[in-house]
Amino acid sequence: QVQLVQSGAEVKKPGASVKVSCKASGYTFTSYDISWVRQATGQGLEWMGWMNPNSGNTAYAQKFQGRVTMTRDSSKSTVYMELRSLRSEDTAVYYCARGHDSSGAVDYWGQGTLVTVPS
Amino acid sequence: SYEVTQPPSVSVSPGQTASIACSGDKLGDRYVCWYQQKPGQSPVLVIHQDTKRPSGIPERFSGSNSGNTATLTISGTQAMDEADYYCQAWDSSTAVFGGGTKLTVL
Repeated sequence: QVQLVQSGAEVKKPGASVKVSCKASGYTFTSYDISWVRQATGQGLEWMGWMNPNSGNTAYAQKFQGRVTMTRDSSKSTVYMELRSLRSEDTAVYYCARGHDSSGAVDYWGQGTLVTVPS
Repeated sequence: SYEVTQPPSVSVSPGQTASIACSGDKLGDRYVCWYQQKPGQSPVLVIHQDTKRPSGIPERFSGSNSGNTATLTISGTQAMDEADYYCQAWDSSTAVFGGGTKLTVL
């Protein structure tokens, strides 16, 4: 069965960086895009970007340009999302999700990783 | 940047039909998908490519998209359908979510 398992919760100081991992299993890793979405407590979903694990191509939301990097390690079937220069407003649950089809929908989601940046 | 808008809340009685709108400029020219999210859980895809239901999603969930508005319709709404619903569209290789609609089943 398809699974996306994310790394555990993190607490970071303002100005630091965080790197969240997303390990895929149950399907061919290079065949599906991975998107990253975050959600602050009590707020809506916010799309951060996506990566094609086969080519390594990425696209980032304008809001995160210059502050986020998505990478992959195909030998580990794992995608990484690094967010730099953290501030308190980055406190959120970060999700990875697998692309469903060419329309851009995502079907399988990770369990989420809480990143806390105390103010 | 492209934006899509949803009403913050919709209420429906059990067994009735709930409709949740998602509005954006020429939204009908883009594919829209819908997600359901219950408290403390990851979102679940309920509609993709405007009208298609993924495997395992009940038939009472349907979608449409035309003009400037996409609509998620839940027929014969059940108490278990109470959740937040988000629409998503794509613009130039980037995605955008609506702000979400809290569906209350009274």
